[in-house]
Amino acid sequence: GENVEQHPSTLSVQEGDSAVIKCTYSDSASNYFPWYKQELGKRPQLIIDIRSNVGEKKDQRIAVTLNKTAKHFSLHITETQPEDSAVYFCAALTQGGSEKLVFGKGTKLTVNP
Amino acid sequence: DSGVTQTPKHLITATGQRVTLRCSPRSGDLSVYWYQQSLDQGLQFLIQYYNGEERAKGNILERFSAQQFPDLHSELNLSSLELGDSALYFCASTPYNHGAEAFFGQGTRLTVV
Repeated sequence: GENVEQHPSTLSVQEGDSAVIKCTYSDSASNYFPWYKQELGKRPQLIIDIRSNVGEKKDQRIAVTLNKTAKHFSLHITETQPEDSAVYFCAALTQGGSEKLVFGKGTKLTVNP
Repeated sequence: DSGVTQTPKHLITATGQRVTLRCSPRSGDLSVYWYQQSLDQGLQFLIQYYNGEERAKGNILERFSAQQFPDLHSELNLSSLELGDSALYFCASTPYNHGAEAFFGQGTRLTVV
């Protein structure tokens, strides 16, 4: 079935450093790739998304890149701040059978002051 | 307020019991998705409804069922509850018949004792 792999599962960086989270997907027909941020005890919040017709999208300190050939996409956070600490989930909108959003298992990012 | 309303916020019940979780989507959204998030687990897709009809099914147990009503609110029914059903249950809504730009509610934390 459709699968999204996410790495690393945990990531610890110093404030001001960059953080990169990577995901791969199995359904080559996937065409939409969102990233969600979930703070402890709260709902997942959409922070950025990318569609398959573009290779990169940027929004202030966060950017997402997509490599359709390799079936992987990445989240880049620059100039990290303590408030970036959260669990980040990638997802892919799979097309096989019926369209549904399949999530990776998440990356717990800790930004140390 | 996220615009997606889930009730109740917390629910504690005994094994073998049945519970109903309720979700009201954002105004104008036609799709409702249900996800299960267990401790240290990602978001497991359960089921999707679009404008009252079931559109996609994930790894939803036979003990679980859902429906979407004419006013577009949705209910997730969990029966013969087991300890392992303890989790956060999220509802998300989107204007589309697929999962793009899914907006999550605050979740219902179910504890089975």
